[in-house]
Amino acid sequence: DIQMTQSPSSVSASVGDRVTLTCRASQNIGNWLAWYQQKPGKAPRLLIYSASTLLNSGVPSRFSGSGFGTDFTLTISSLQPEDFATYFCQQANSFPRTFGQGTRVEIK
Amino acid sequence: QVQLQESGPGLVKPSETLSLTCSVSDASFSSYYWSWIRQPPGRALEWIGYIYHTGSTSYNPSLKSRVAISVDTSKSQFSLALNSVTAADTAVYYCAGAPNQNFFDYWGQGTLVTVSS
Repeated sequence: DIQMTQSPSSVSASVGDRVTLTCRASQNIGNWLAWYQQKPGKAPRLLIYSASTLLNSGVPSRFSGSGFGTDFTLTISSLQPEDFATYFCQQANSFPRTFGQGTRVEIK
Repeated sequence: QVQLQESGPGLVKPSETLSLTCSVSDASFSSYYWSWIRQPPGRALEWIGYIYHTGSTSYNPSLKSRVAISVDTSKSQFSLALNSVTAADTAVYYCAGAPNQNFFDYWGQGTLVTVSS
């Protein structure tokens, strides 16, 4: 299985801050990577797929993704109150599909 | 907008079979790959497996010996059966849909299943 490792496990930030989250794959996955946002008690929401493509349906442009191969980042350019959540990465290069353990973005 | 709804018992006894059904409200049921994904409390998401409307399946090897996913296209439903459950199978179980086999666009709200006697 491909292991997905996210860092940091949590980050404290203020509204308006630029936040960068990292996801590392245990082997080359090309651009077969997605990012999800999950709020407490809710299902995950797909934000970005193919490493850098924003989902059309209502994902704000302050979210961006980059990376290829093994190292990927999710950047929130100006953190908004509704962005406080846990973010997961997921690889789709091979089966079984695997997820990172998540990064919690908390209010500072 | 595709909507998914999980249903099934919230409590299952150890060694018994966990059974859940996901109802999909969209005419394009045959266009998606339908997955089950679970999340133990405070832990990461784990993909269990998927099924296509043709009945083609793929399972996580870590669960393959205990899991079966089936589909009823006439009802736009798919189901999960996980046998010989233990406390380690306690989790929120999500059904999810992907237009290809890759990324999960649509999710149910999740249902907590507790394994306990």
